[in-house]
Amino acid sequence: DAGITQSPRHKVTETGTPVTLRCHQTENHRYMYWYRQDPGHGLRLIHYSYGVKDTDKGEVSDGYSVSRSKTEDFLLTLESATSSQTSVYFCAITPGGALSGANVLTFGAGSRLTVL
Amino acid sequence: GDSVTQMEGPVTLSEEAFLTINCTYTATGYPSLFWYVQYPGEGLQLLLKATKADDKGSNKGFEATYRKETTSFHLEKGSVQVSDSAVYFCALSGGSQGNLIFGKGTKLSVKP
Repeated sequence: DAGITQSPRHKVTETGTPVTLRCHQTENHRYMYWYRQDPGHGLRLIHYSYGVKDTDKGEVSDGYSVSRSKTEDFLLTLESATSSQTSVYFCAITPGGALSGANVLTFGAGSRLTVL
Repeated sequence: GDSVTQMEGPVTLSEEAFLTINCTYTATGYPSLFWYVQYPGEGLQLLLKATKADDKGSNKGFEATYRKETTSFHLEKGSVQVSDSAVYFCALSGGSQGNLIFGKGTKLSVKP
């Protein structure tokens, strides 16, 4: 996972509390993504960013917001965490838009969130 | 919309056995296809890729061929090792924004 770090790696929180996960990259890649991984669902896209202050929704965006004020940082916020948001969250980066042999997605190590 | 279907696991094999993990896709246009691997406690790593029909991706003894006529990208390895135990994800490129659409993953366990 060279060049991409997620924090925190593990977090336990209570229902109704706000939570922010951070993704930090040193690759200067334009595109950043947040996915969640759940048994039986594989990985599903939450939100993505295609530049500073440019973000868009993915497949499962309800209950999540994102911000990208700098190229290197992409924050995922759960305004009021619910038990259904217990999951492993992965950040990913890629330099370009259209995925091809050159623009491969690189993933962080993941952040495991438990909402009690 | 675009989607990926891969065989349900878990798959348990003995060391040196032959591995096939089936993956089929539904997509408009001509996506690129990928296999990612996730070792326990880690993020996903690219295993191999193919960008057009009839391309064969290969890496670490694994290979997969992009079959447009059958919309498939099956993963194969001739002789698995204990160290290949992991979860394998098939994925396709989802559009101009560069995201990937993933299958649900197949857990492989290789016994000595």
